[in-house]
Amino acid sequence: GNSVTQMEGPVTLSEEAFLTINCTYTATGYPSLFWYVQYPGEGLQLLLKATKADDKGSNKGFEATYRKETTSFHLEKGSVQVSDSAVYFCALSEGRIQGAQKLVFGQGTRLTINP
Amino acid sequence: DVKVTQSSRYLVKRTGEKVFLECVQDMDHENMFWYRQDPGLGLRLIYFSYDVKMKEKGDIPEGYSVSREKKERFSLILESASTNQTSMYLCASRSFSHTYFGPGTRLTVT
Repeated sequence: GNSVTQMEGPVTLSEEAFLTINCTYTATGYPSLFWYVQYPGEGLQLLLKATKADDKGSNKGFEATYRKETTSFHLEKGSVQVSDSAVYFCALSEGRIQGAQKLVFGQGTRLTINP
Repeated sequence: DVKVTQSSRYLVKRTGEKVFLECVQDMDHENMFWYRQDPGLGLRLIYFSYDVKMKEKGDIPEGYSVSREKKERFSLILESASTNQTSMYLCASRSFSHTYFGPGTRLTVT
């Protein structure tokens, strides 16, 4: 079946450091890809998404590019802030009918940014 | 704004109790989901529903059941709670292109 693998955490960085969180996937067809973020004590929020190969999703300074050739969707940010501390989940959508698609998640990566 | 609400943020139950987790969405979405979140395992799908009275098993349905009597409400039921069901439970509701999550219920079974 479809699956998503993220880099192991936790990840700890200093403020203004460059961030990369790796995500690779296994899927039949061409799923949409997502990054979700979970801040402490909250539910998941969509951070960004890409729906086809070579698409770049971006939001709040984060970026990820849908790479079909390497089946990857790595999350990057050039200069992280303390407020970026959260758990990040990579996910793909599966299912033929768009409105009824399910999300398959990676294991999550906890990010801590120190001032 | 779409709102997905869950009846409790924190819940403590005893082994063997019947537990109800409630989820309500206010955007008339047909598709609703229950996930379980555990450290190192990410989110795993328990059950989902495409419409009222419709339900389908996800990846880990054992020990759970669901009920969808009204479009806006999707309930997760633990028939006889066990300690290995201690977890964070997240409800989600899906429009045509976007999935919205509730804040989660942290359930502890002692």
